[in-house]
Amino acid sequence: DQQVKQNSPSLSVQEGRISILNCDYTNSMFDYFLWYKKYPAEGPTFLISISSIKDKNEDGRFTVFLNKSAKHLSLHIVPSQPGDSAVYFCAASANFGNEKLTFGTGTRLTIIP
Amino acid sequence: ETGVTQSPTHLIKTRGQQVTLRCSSQSGHNTVSWYQQALGQGPQFIFQYYREEENGRGNFPPRFSGLQFPNYSSELNVNALELDDSALYLCASCVWDRRGGELFFGEGSRLTVL
Repeated sequence: DQQVKQNSPSLSVQEGRISILNCDYTNSMFDYFLWYKKYPAEGPTFLISISSIKDKNEDGRFTVFLNKSAKHLSLHIVPSQPGDSAVYFCAASANFGNEKLTFGTGTRLTIIP
Repeated sequence: ETGVTQSPTHLIKTRGQQVTLRCSSQSGHNTVSWYQQALGQGPQFIFQYYREEENGRGNFPPRFSGLQFPNYSSELNVNALELDDSALYLCASCVWDRRGGELFFGEGSRLTVL
């Protein structure tokens, strides 16, 4: 049972445009959500997070939106840059501070110069 | 650079063998987690250690075991290897505070079971 779903395995976006990556979850106990970025031959690196008491969190070019009623979150990257090309994982945690993260299957983002 | 190092980076074993994977965390990170990432999948939580004791476990059988040492290093041991154990094994250490937290992942150990 996939509790965190990323339904788009891949996404291509022109450089300078907005990239929108989507994530859906089924477990209503999740209260903390994170996005990780992974380059080949490297471990995932933390990008941005949001707790369930918020509906938006922004950090530079990256913004995460959370819609609890729809159990949906999205990551917006604007403007997209070639260095953003990577696999992006959505992850969720129940009980804030619990390190057991449930990951989605990832979306491969390709930025076209 | 996350400050988390793993060894070996690649290894090949045969079915039935045992393997030990190692991880060195950042100083002060007293919690370490291990994840398994199969091809085309997201990382799956194996277990977590806090102050040298197991503190949470995912849906993995007992032949997956671990150790954490006082010097911020840890091990993942897998006995009686099966073909499906072929995956990237990720170690992560963590800092949490009331504002949030993040896991710092190592580069992983890629295990191939033949």
